[in-house]
Amino acid sequence: DIQMTQIPSTLSASVGDRVTITCRASQSVATWLAWYQQKPGKAPKLLIYKASTLESGVPSRFSGSGSGTEFTLTISSLQPDDFATYYCQQYNSYSYNFGQGTKLEIK
Amino acid sequence: QVQLVQSGAEVKKPGSSVKVSCKASGDTFRNYAITWVRQAPGQGLEWVGMIIPVSRATHSAHKVQGRITITTDELTSTAFLELSSLKSDDTAVYFCATVWVTASGPEYFQHWGQGTLVTVSS
Repeated sequence: DIQMTQIPSTLSASVGDRVTITCRASQSVATWLAWYQQKPGKAPKLLIYKASTLESGVPSRFSGSGSGTEFTLTISSLQPDDFATYYCQQYNSYSYNFGQGTKLEIK
Repeated sequence: QVQLVQSGAEVKKPGSSVKVSCKASGDTFRNYAITWVRQAPGQGLEWVGMIIPVSRATHSAHKVQGRITITTDELTSTAFLELSSLKSDDTAVYFCATVWVTASGPEYFQHWGQGTLVTVSS
């Protein structure tokens, strides 16, 4: 199975900050990577797919990049609604593994 | 846009089985695959399995293989997850989601149900 590792596990930031979350795959997944946002008690929400394509309705302050084994999710200017947990997920193989999550907290 | 509504919370004994439903509305059921993802209390997301309704092909995670059955009823646009020989570490919120399918195969998880809490306890 392909293992996904997110860095960092927890991130403290302020409204207006630019933040970046890194996701590393144990082997190449090309650009078959998605990012999800989850708030407590809620279902995950798709933000980005194919590493860099923004899902319809997702604010443009979210962006994704990368290919192969290293990917990033960037939020250009944090808004109060963005404090949540973020997960990357590969869909290159039939294991669909998620990263362990990055909790974005208010500083 | 698809909406997914899941069945209610369940409490089960170890060794028993549970069946969770996921009813879709708003789009043609056969346009998507349906996947199941679970989240143990305070933990991250874990992919459990998937069904592609058009072909009825299923795929599941190694951890639950042999214990999981995923089916669909196209007449009611409902997907089902059945998990047998339940253990305490199957306690989790189980989410269903639609999967965007292309010529390359199933891809990302697009629309999600609200989640169903399954508690396994003696």
